[in-house]
Amino acid sequence: GAVVSQHPSRVICKSGTSVKIECRSLDFQATTMFWYRQFPKQSLMLMATSNEGSKATYEQGVEKDKFLINHASLTLSTLTVTSAHPEDSSFYICSARPAGTMNTEAFFGQGTRLTVV
Amino acid sequence: AQTVTQSQPEMSVQEAETVTLSCTYDTSESDYYLFWYKQPPSRQMILVIRQEAYKQQNATENRFSVNFQKAAKSFSLKISDSQLGDAAMYFCAYRGYSGAGSYQLTFGKGTKLSVIP
Repeated sequence: GAVVSQHPSRVICKSGTSVKIECRSLDFQATTMFWYRQFPKQSLMLMATSNEGSKATYEQGVEKDKFLINHASLTLSTLTVTSAHPEDSSFYICSARPAGTMNTEAFFGQGTRLTVV
Repeated sequence: AQTVTQSQPEMSVQEAETVTLSCTYDTSESDYYLFWYKQPPSRQMILVIRQEAYKQQNATENRFSVNFQKAAKSFSLKISDSQLGDAAMYFCAYRGYSGAGSYQLTFGKGTKLSVIP
């Protein structure tokens, strides 16, 4: 089946530093990847939609300069949290939609728990 | 904008019994998809079942079935013969057309299901 690998699963970083999260589709090509943020005991909130070879589309209220998204290939999208602050601590989840067929669902990565200290 | 409402923050069911999780949504679109996702403590999102809006027949997947009422914009999930492994957060999700062709998912706030041995 379709597998999406997200790395790292957990990361702790110091306030003011940047951290990169990778989302890879292992056995399919993904023209579109999605990045979500999930606070404890809450739902998934879409942050941005990443399309291969073009700029990401950010949801209202998401700072594009703070959450840098790069989708340079059909199997990899990265989310970089720049100048991280404690309030950026959260669970980040990516999902990837296979290329070609518009009716296929997106598959989710395992998520990354980010803690900023 | 589409909204998804899950009115039951928590539910519990006795092992081997049946439970129904509620979901309502709001949309002006006629063509869309609805999903139920399961998120166990591992935080991995797992697709449980999906329903195409143009299909009148309710989707079923083994012990999981839905009651899709398009006119009422209702999409409930029934879990039969509940098992301990069914304990998780369940999210109802809507997918329509975002305008950018990316088919974004909109999630409800989730229902935490506990299974009592």
